[in-house]
Amino acid sequence: SYELTQPPSVSVSPGQTARITCSGDALPKKYTYWLQRKSGQAPVVVIYEDSKRPSGIPERFSGSSSGTMATLTISGAQVEDEGDYYCYSTDSSGNPVFGGGTKLTVL
Amino acid sequence: QVQLAESGGGVVQPGRSLRLSCAASGFTLRSRGMHWVRQAPGKGLEWVSVISSDGRNKFYVDSVKGRFTISRDNSKNTLYLQMNSLGAEDTAMYYCVQESIWVFDHWGRGTLVTVSS
Repeated sequence: SYELTQPPSVSVSPGQTARITCSGDALPKKYTYWLQRKSGQAPVVVIYEDSKRPSGIPERFSGSSSGTMATLTISGAQVEDEGDYYCYSTDSSGNPVFGGGTKLTVL
Repeated sequence: QVQLAESGGGVVQPGRSLRLSCAASGFTLRSRGMHWVRQAPGKGLEWVSVISSDGRNKFYVDSVKGRFTISRDNSKNTLYLQMNSLGAEDTAMYYCVQESIWVFDHWGRGTLVTVSS
């Protein structure tokens, strides 16, 4: 089955740039989406179609994709950005697949 | 305002069945693809199933094929997940999710399913 691989954790100091990667063999042909999940809250899509930012998402969130790796970048990470981040894409059948999730710590 | 409210979770013995419901408000189910996503304790998110906006297409993750069935009742604006032959590996929080062109933009609070003897 298709897999997306993320680092289990990323840690940065406030104001630094956080980068979370997501790798998958099909990413050159498929879009990547990024979900933010804060403790006790519903997940929120922060990036869709590799690099598009939904309305209401701060500009410090950006996404990129090159080859088999997609990257979520948080420029000037803030304490309120702490949480779990999941990438997801679609497999060869067109069904969604989630990455394993990355716990972002900002302190 | 879109709201999704799951129900029907609980503790069930291995091999038994359970039906989850997701009551939708603020939109009609017919207008969107709807998914079930689960999260096992201490694990990440796992996509489970989808029903297309027209209801014609239904897809499942391999691990639940033949055991789970997704459906909806348009008159009640409610999404369902019938789960049969449950095993310990199905223990998870189950979320119903509204999708718009692959953006999972609205999530319910979830309902917990625990499979245990």
